Amino acid sequence: AQSVTQPDIHITVSEGASLELRCNYSYGATPYLFWYVQSPGQGLQLLLKYFSGDTLVQGIKGFEAEFKRSQSSFNLRKPSVHWSDAAEYFCAVGASGYNKLIFGAGTRLAVHP
Amino acid sequence: ETGVTQTPRHLVMGMTNKKSLKCEQHLGHNAMYWYKQSAKKPLELMFVYSLEERVENNSVPSRFSPECPNSSHLFLHLHTLQPEDSALYLCASSQELSARTDTQYFGPGTRLTVL
Repeated sequence: AQSVTQPDIHITVSEGASLELRCNYSYGATPYLFWYVQSPGQGLQLLLKYFSGDTLVQGIKGFEAEFKRSQSSFNLRKPSVHWSDAAEYFCAVGASGYNKLIFGAGTRLAVHP
Repeated sequence: ETGVTQTPRHLVMGMTNKKSLKCEQHLGHNAMYWYKQSAKKPLELMFVYSLEERVENNSVPSRFSPECPNSSHLFLHLHTLQPEDSALYLCASSQELSARTDTQYFGPGTRLTVL
């Protein structure tokens, strides 16, 4: 069965530091992978997505993610975190059949000044 | 308005009440979704509609009753809820249902508290 694991429930970084959020997926075929961000009191906003081609994907707000098939991973990175990046981040895989997303449990990011 | 809107943003109801959540998308999409987001649990897909027809009921209790009168509106009718149904209910839409690559756009959610 398809699944997504985000090993880190909470992460705290200092403003200006680099960030990497981990995501591992379980899927039998070629995965379609997504990262969403949820700010407090808001819905989910798509940061980036991977379907095929270049394994390094650029997204909005300076985020990027790298698909590594051998590790079943799709980690999200940002070289320099801003205080406004404090939010909850969700990794998701597009499941088989129609447009169905399987989400990870999320990683809550706190940013210290 | 643009995007996906949801009303109300907050709702408190007793277990014997009947209430409805409303979702409206202004994107011209053909597919709409209801998700439940509980504390410390991954988002759970509840219902999926494509062109006003329900294509998935993800083992959701009958006390949740969806309605999709047209491709722009989606409702979730609630009755005889339990305290464990307290959660953030998110609505989403996408252009088509068939493409796994199709991005889902989410509304801000309705925070539901059942007393």
